[in-house]
Amino acid sequence: GNSVTQMEGPVTLSEEAFLTINCTYTATGYPSLFWYVQYPGEGLQLLLKATKADDKGSNKGFEATYRKETTSFHLEKGSVQVSDSAVYFCALSDSGSARQLTFGSGTQLTVLP
Amino acid sequence: EADIYQTPRYLVIGTGKKITLECSQTMGHDKMYWYQQDPGMELHLIHYSYGVNSTEKGDLSSESTVSRIRTEHFPLTLESARPSHTSQYLCASSEYAGSRDTQYFGPGTRLTVL
Repeated sequence: GNSVTQMEGPVTLSEEAFLTINCTYTATGYPSLFWYVQYPGEGLQLLLKATKADDKGSNKGFEATYRKETTSFHLEKGSVQVSDSAVYFCALSDSGSARQLTFGSGTQLTVLP
Repeated sequence: EADIYQTPRYLVIGTGKKITLECSQTMGHDKMYWYQQDPGMELHLIHYSYGVNSTEKGDLSSESTVSRIRTEHFPLTLESARPSHTSQYLCASSEYAGSRDTQYFGPGTRLTVL
């Protein structure tokens, strides 16, 4: 079956530090890959996505590249801000019949001023 | 960006009450979902729907029920709430768009059962 393994948290960084949150996946088909962000007290917002190998998704300074050879989709940002403090979820949508999302366990990021 | 709404945002009720959590979307999406999010942040799919008159149970067994009478509306009902139902409930929708299926989430309902 499908699974997503996400970097354990919580992660605490100083403002302007470099961020990497690791995500690897197992899928039977050719999945689309997603990063969602959840701010305190809110639902999930789509941050970025990639639909095929070597695609790079980017948004708000965040980037992630779909690496089929390493089955990875690591999230990166060059310089984090306090406002980036949130929970980040990696997810995949398989090309199987149900097309449901499989989520990672989430990584709590706290950015200190 | 999809517009998807959930009401109420917060609900505190006593044990044994019947409740309905509302979810509506204005994008005409065929697929809708309910997730339960535990305090450890993990998301568990409890119900989904492919379209009108279609409902399926998700990965996590739930005592809740859902209905899909209209495309835009996917309410979740608990006939008799218990403290074990205390959780965050997230609704989502997506277009039936092949492998580029992106789910869009509502703001969530935080339910507390006393």
